[in-house]
Parts: sequence; structure tokens; C-alpha cells
Amino acid sequence: DAKTTQPNSMESNEEEPVHLPCNHSTISGTDYIHWYRQLPSQGPEYVIHGLTSNVNNRMASLAIAEDRKSSTLILHRATLRDAAVYYCILRRSSGGSNYKLTFGKGTLLTVNP
Amino acid sequence: NAGVTQTPKFQVLKTGQSMTLQCAQDMNHEYMSWYRQDPGMGLRLIHYSVGAGITDQGEVPNGYNVSRSTTEDFPLRLLSAAPSQTSVYFCASSYRGQTGPAYEQYFGPGTRLTVT
Repeated sequence: DAKTTQPNSMESNEEEPVHLPCNHSTISGTDYIHWYRQLPSQGPEYVIHGLTSNVNNRMASLAIAEDRKSSTLILHRATLRDAAVYYCILRRSSGGSNYKLTFGKGTLLTVNP
Repeated sequence: NAGVTQTPKFQVLKTGQSMTLQCAQDMNHEYMSWYRQDPGMGLRLIHYSVGAGITDQGEVPNGYNVSRSTTEDFPLRLLSAAPSQTSVYFCASSYRGQTGPAYEQYFGPGTRLTVT
């Protein structure tokens, strides 16, 4: 399975944009890029996903490099409620393992008031 | 909708005891799964199910059993608890998308298990 690499931690100030990077140099053509986040003492929560094109939703934006070997989750205006561990996950779109999400350690985002 | 519910929220077991962690969802999702999360770590997949009557092993299945007799419920059984099974357990569910599992999995609030 392709792996992802994320920084262990990042800091941001409230109301500023946050760019969370993820490297996935061994990504295959059928792998979707997912982002989940986990707030303290809660289960993970879906944030966004994409395949090749950049994606936007109400929570965040996902920028995918042209060669798909890296991606960036963008929080446009960080709030204190965005403080969480953010996981970048690759999921196969076909085959027997296409249901599985493999979580790494993620990036702990601290938001300063 | 209640979403994904898990019971109990907390549990303390002694080594060798058995118990069942309950998971239920009311969204009519075909896919359900169990993960464990150890301190400072990401989640690891224990078992999953693609529909009633169908289950399969994940990354760390040893010491756990599952069955799926209904769409709504997916219990996780610890056969003989060990201290190494001290962890937080999360259940998740997902509906089927156009080309397989949907992109968004819904997670329950977790069960915090301590084995002494």
C-alpha cells in the first residue's frame, strides 16, 4: 500500500490560513486522497477527498500536485475549533482493499488565539 | 438519525475476561468496521464488513471476533482480554458509492477499554 508522510505538528494563528502538507510519492493512479481530522476525545471526521483535481467544500480545500505525489489541505481561516490531528490517507478505488483506510500518525494542528 | 453509536463508553476488564463492544448505525450503511487507537498513534483496522453476513480481517485481527447478522449492528468480541488490548476502539460505517465504498466514513464516539 502507498504511504503518506506528514509533519508531526504545525501551529497557526486564529483567522489565518493553514496549509497542511502531505507527501505520497508512491501513490498509484487509482488511489484517492482523503483527509480526516480527529478532535480531542472524538472519533475521526471526514474533511475532504480528491483524485486529480483540486477540490473545495464547506470545510476546506484540497490542492493536489500535478504529478499527484503530494497534496495540501487548506483551511482558509483557522478557528480554535480546528485544533485537531489531521490525517492524510490514500484509499484505493478498486480491488479487495478499497474499503480500508490506513491511518498514520497525522499532523497535530495547534491554533493560537 | 443517531448516526454511529457505541456502548459502553468506558470499560475496565481483568486479564482473561471476555466482553463485547457494541456498535450500531441507523443510516442503512452496508460497510462497517472496527479500529483501535493506541496512545499517540493513528487508527488501525481490526475487522470490517461489507454487508450482513460478510466479514473480513483488517490489520490487527488477533484476539478479536466479529459477526454481522444485521445491517445495523456490528459487535466486536474480545475473547480473552490482555493488557495489550488496552486502547480506544472506534466503529465506523459507510454507504456504497457509485464505484465501491463511499468516500466518507462516519465514526462513532469510541469505547475506552482498559485491561488490568
